[in-house]
Amino acid sequence: AQSVTQLDSQVPVFEEAPVELRCNYSSSVSVYLFWYVQYPNQGLQLLLKYLSGSTLVKGINGFEAEFNKSQTSFHLRKPSVHISDTAEYFCAVSVNQAGTALIFGKGTTLSVSS
Amino acid sequence: DTEVTQTPKHLVMGMTNKKSLKCEQHMGHRAMYWYKQKAKKPPELMFVYSYEKLSINESVPSRFSPECPNSSLLNLHLHALQPEDSALYLCASSQEWRGPAYEQFFGPGTRLTVL
Repeated sequence: AQSVTQLDSQVPVFEEAPVELRCNYSSSVSVYLFWYVQYPNQGLQLLLKYLSGSTLVKGINGFEAEFNKSQTSFHLRKPSVHISDTAEYFCAVSVNQAGTALIFGKGTTLSVSS
Repeated sequence: DTEVTQTPKHLVMGMTNKKSLKCEQHMGHRAMYWYKQKAKKPPELMFVYSYEKLSINESVPSRFSPECPNSSLLNLHLHALQPEDSALYLCASSQEWRGPAYEQFFGPGTRLTVL
């Protein structure tokens, strides 16, 4: 069975500081990995995705993530955060088999303060 | 147009009411999804429609009844709900159902409160 673990439930940072949100996955088959962001009272927006190829993936809003197969990780990073990055971040995995069902992690709340 | 729209934004209903949630997309996507999201939790998959046919029902109680009248519309009919059904209901769509690479586009959700 596949699973996703987001290691930090809350990450408080100051504006303009770097941030890393950690995600580990468990799967016996090939996976596709995603990071979604959810702003308060809104739906989910895709930040970036890893399907194949380069392990460093660049997304929207200055975010990037690195796929590490040996460590089964897909950590999200941003070199300098803004107040507007305050949101809930979900890591998700989709298995390379029938269907596109997303398995979500429990989420990480990123709180950016000035 | 990469938008999934959902109506209403907010819904308050009693346990004996019948109501419906509506979802619409005009991206030509052939797969549509309903998710339920409780506060501070990740979305949980409820139903998947592919080419207007129900492909997955994640053991959802029968008081939730999905309907896909055409390729652009997805409804969720609600009847005799319980207070614990209060949540954010998210609709999503993707180009195809089979093929994990296809990105899911999410709507803004309907905030449901059951009294």
